[in-house]
Amino acid sequence: DGGITQSPKYLFRKEGQNVTLSCEQNLNHDAMYWYRQDPGQGLRLIYYSQIVNDFQKGDIAEGYSVSREKKESFPLTVTSAQKNPTAFYLCASSIRGRDTGELFFGEGSRLTVL
Amino acid sequence: GQQLNQSPQSMFIQEGEDVSMNCTSSSIFNTWLWYKQEPGEGPVLLIALYKAGELTSNGRLTAQFGITRKDSFLNISASIPSDVGIYFCAGQKGTYKYIFGTGTRLKVLA
Repeated sequence: DGGITQSPKYLFRKEGQNVTLSCEQNLNHDAMYWYRQDPGQGLRLIYYSQIVNDFQKGDIAEGYSVSREKKESFPLTVTSAQKNPTAFYLCASSIRGRDTGELFFGEGSRLTVL
Repeated sequence: GQQLNQSPQSMFIQEGEDVSMNCTSSSIFNTWLWYKQEPGEGPVLLIALYKAGELTSNGRLTAQFGITRKDSFLNISASIPSDVGIYFCAGQKGTYKYIFGTGTRLKVLA
């Protein structure tokens, strides 16, 4: 079945460590996104990528980095510079270049900083 | 960042009752999306709306794209216990810009 796979589902990090969250999709979508979800708040955009080797900062990019070397993959690194990294992280994808497009999500990764 | 106004924030209903929730904004959107999210899981797309005034159903779920393009409504008919979860809306403003509501937490009493 087509979909978006995120891993790991749960991740614990010590302060000062970088961690990388994986996101793989087989929907043949060009556009991919990373969102952060905190209790009581709407989803906030961290980074998005329109196409391979291209990505743009979202609203809360500080302390995060991404890469897009393959169409199917869009990993997110949470660096030690992110001051409050404990959150639920969601990867999403959509068809590129449409301003009326459905957005599909992965199962999410919960990061906890110890 | 911008968020959509979604109401109610939470609701308890009896099994078999109908449920209504809505999202409003001061901005115009090209697309409205409705999702259901269960604890610890990613959101699942329920309904997508593309035209002002559009009314679309998915089983017991019906959603409408407001005429002004600034709001949308989701109705669930004859609720069942498995409808429990958080429902949230998303509006698409541009090719890569989606704005999200804060969610309606639904609890169904058997």
